[in-house]
Amino acid sequence: QKEVEQNSGPLSVPEGAIASLNCTYSDRGSQSFFWYRQYSGKSPELIMSIYSNGDKEDGRFTAQLNKASQYVSLLIRDSQPSDSATYLCAVNRGNNRLAFGKGNQVVVIP
Amino acid sequence: DAGVIQSPRHEVTEMGQEVTLRCKPISGHNSLFWYRQTMMRGLELLIYFNNNVPIDDSGMPEDRFSAKMPNASFSTLKIQPSEPRDSAVYFCASRHKPGTGGPIEQYFGPGTRLTVT
Repeated sequence: QKEVEQNSGPLSVPEGAIASLNCTYSDRGSQSFFWYRQYSGKSPELIMSIYSNGDKEDGRFTAQLNKASQYVSLLIRDSQPSDSATYLCAVNRGNNRLAFGKGNQVVVIP
Repeated sequence: DAGVIQSPRHEVTEMGQEVTLRCKPISGHNSLFWYRQTMMRGLELLIYFNNNVPIDDSGMPEDRFSAKMPNASFSTLKIQPSEPRDSAVYFCASRHKPGTGGPIEQYFGPGTRLTVT
């Protein structure tokens, strides 16, 4: 099993809709979790961090963490064309190293 | 405050040549990370430093790769000799050292796109 899995293929959503991204991780001891956004040809940009079970909201973004089920999700409300990017889930491996998923591409259709 | 700075932004070299990538972390950050990103393997950690000391280099693919951090504001990643399979985007990232009370999020530089022909 991979450390961090993002299995969904490219996600196409109409403008204004909600985009939902999921991520599972294998190390039950992981304590901190991050979502990065990466535009094509650019570097990963941190958009959310979450450390406790439950929801964390920041603007149009909501991160959800369920440690018992070992998954993290990201919701993007009122999706905009500028949200079109690849979203990377990252998990702190407990030794200060981040393990990244392969990413999910989101395409927002005007 | 300036972000992580990397140079060069693009590097094209021939197989067998030495390649040196450079990174300046965010001022005040004392952990530095080198990553490699490819389509096939995604984003992989190569090595990271705390207070200029290499802590974990288990991600370095082979002896052709070496990294140094001579001071808190500069690090290099060297590939010698380079091979076509080293073609990738190399990112440097920095963060506050764990246990210092600072934020633990990592911030990435713009990357160096390396092409080895």
